[in-house]
Amino acid sequence: SQQGEEDPQALSIQEGENATMNCSYKTSINNLQWYRQNSGRGLVHLILIRSNEREKHSGRLRVTLDTSKKSSSLLITASRAADTASYFCARRWGAGGTSYGKLTFGQGTILTVHP
Amino acid sequence: DTAVSQTPKYLVTQMGNDKSIKCEQNLGHDTMYWYKQDSKKFLKIMFSYNNKELIINETVPNRFSPKSPDKAHLNLHINSLELGDSAVYFCASSPAVNQPQHFGDGTRLSIL
Repeated sequence: SQQGEEDPQALSIQEGENATMNCSYKTSINNLQWYRQNSGRGLVHLILIRSNEREKHSGRLRVTLDTSKKSSSLLITASRAADTASYFCARRWGAGGTSYGKLTFGQGTILTVHP
Repeated sequence: DTAVSQTPKYLVTQMGNDKSIKCEQNLGHDTMYWYKQDSKKFLKIMFSYNNKELIINETVPNRFSPKSPDKAHLNLHINSLELGDSAVYFCASSPAVNQPQHFGDGTRLSIL
């Protein structure tokens, strides 16, 4: 399976704390993307990291990628109640044929930030 | 001014019926997608079109048929609905196949 895993499945923290979510995968990737999904809404793209990159930042978000361990992590610093959502990593693999443009999503991490 | 819009937002229908879900994007993107999200939040690609051409066709029952009349629209028609089709269906688009995707808010399909 190409899907890999995300952990933890659920994370509950207090406002102001940092939240770290991890994503592992099983085959080589072209890029890895993180998305957020608020309850009852569609997914919103957060960060894309390419296979030749090791770290990317966007505001309070920091994503790392370790291709040797086939893993990535998303760190949200100084969390806020509004960060409460599900977070998904999506691996893009394949370079043509039936894998063309295909993203494989995990089941996500449910993050709850208590005020 | 919604970027990716799906209609309807909710769809409740009887087993055996045929239904359609419509999707439109006003972002000028070349690529559009349909995903199915199950009750455990697992999101799985169903179809993808690039410039009206089918490029991803996952193993879904042939009761599901996508149609792309133009680059801005990708509709999903489902025949002979079954209980297992109950899920949230998301439409998405991206500028190109390897670019981040923009999602609609989903259509929650419930089969009675």
